[in-house]
Amino acid sequence: ILNVEQSPQSLHVQEGDSTNFTCSFPSSNFYALHWYRWETAKSPEALFVMTLNGDEKKKGRISATLNTKEGYSYLYIKGSQPEDSATYLCAFNAGTASKLTFGTGTRLQVTL
Amino acid sequence: KAGVTQTPRYLIKTRGQQVTLSCSPISGHRSVSWYQQTPGQGLQFLFEYFSETQRNKGNFPGRFSGRQFSNSRSEMNVSTLELGDSALYLCASSLPELPGTDTQYFGPGTRLTVL
Repeated sequence: ILNVEQSPQSLHVQEGDSTNFTCSFPSSNFYALHWYRWETAKSPEALFVMTLNGDEKKKGRISATLNTKEGYSYLYIKGSQPEDSATYLCAFNAGTASKLTFGTGTRLQVTL
Repeated sequence: KAGVTQTPRYLIKTRGQQVTLSCSPISGHRSVSWYQQTPGQGLQFLFEYFSETQRNKGNFPGRFSGRQFSNSRSEMNVSTLELGDSALYLCASSLPELPGTDTQYFGPGTRLTVL
């Protein structure tokens, strides 16, 4: 059974703060690591798909790094804004077609 | 391009009934995956269909089944509903050019309540 863990479970920051979360996954049988943002009452939105050890991806103020040898990925948000409030999910793919194993997410709340 | 659509959005059923949920993928996408989310649980993979064939299956009982049509639209069926089947059911579509690394696009989900 694959175990994907995310920490912290929730986070409350002020506008302008920078923050980061962790996703831990099995270091064996790694194929890809996906990050999603899920806002309340909306569909999960894909942020990044990461495949190579040492990968770094960036989208605006959000970036992610990947370490497949030790089995973790970090998601960073620089200068958090209220619109960044959402649950951030990571999902591991072990090469089994399109099957994703999700973590339970980090819920981020950004206040003014 | 229209996104992934799911119908119905909300559904209330009673124990023992069966239910069918529908998912229309993004035009051109051939893979459809289904996920279940219950309170306190992450998204749990149910199954994936590609070109009308089930390509992968999660650890769910046989009461959960699905199919895919030639236009890539997919349905999932849950028979003999139990209270624990109350959940948000999401479907996701992808091309896929490279299964596993293709971005999966999610629909808004169907909220099923079993009374």
